[in-house]
Amino acid sequence: DQQVKQNSPSLSVQEGRISILNCDYTNSMFDYFLWYKKYPAEGPTFLISISSIKDKNEDGRFTVFLNKSAKHLSLHIVPSQPGDSAVYFCAASLTGNQFYFGTGTSLTVIP
Amino acid sequence: EPEVTQTPSHQVTQMGQEVILRCVPISNHLYFYWYRQILGQKVEFLVSFYNNEISEKSEIFDDQFSVERPDGSNFTLKIRSTKLEDSAMYFCASSGRDTFTDTQYFGPGTRLTVL
Repeated sequence: DQQVKQNSPSLSVQEGRISILNCDYTNSMFDYFLWYKKYPAEGPTFLISISSIKDKNEDGRFTVFLNKSAKHLSLHIVPSQPGDSAVYFCAASLTGNQFYFGTGTSLTVIP
Repeated sequence: EPEVTQTPSHQVTQMGQEVILRCVPISNHLYFYWYRQILGQKVEFLVSFYNNEISEKSEIFDDQFSVERPDGSNFTLKIRSTKLEDSAMYFCASSGRDTFTDTQYFGPGTRLTVL
């Protein structure tokens, strides 16, 4: 069973607006969460992460929110830029030895 | 919901030995991928596979690497003579359509340690 789910396969946002990418997980033992960005024919590139002991982590235009009670993770990009157009994967880890990826959300930022 | 599985979760080998990393993609998927992540570095694309042949490969995927779909369900990555720098997490992925931007289902990874 998919332990990490991204239920929106695609998302379109106007340049300058906020992009919100969502991710749900089932295993409450996950202790580390990551977001990756992926361009065609390349591997996913690490974007931002959050430990399960936190509920928010911010890095420039990117903020990740963790709601442990809801088992929900989200990535906010503000303001969105055309260069942000890519596929975004969330991933969850158990002690760093196993990684569980979501299926990705394709973000298109419209100029 | 279906998932990609990988075995083993952790493989330890001696330098110079051959290793085979195994993946079971989602059953009706046609496109298969291997990626690796060296500790502390980015996830790197290795190879994509479709219709029993390699469709694309990166510079990393040299002659010591090979992929195979031996029985219609498994998808394997073989490293012929392992080097210390092959130590990494290896991720398998599969998708139903041929586009790197489309939904890829990733496995949980195999951690390879070369001693």
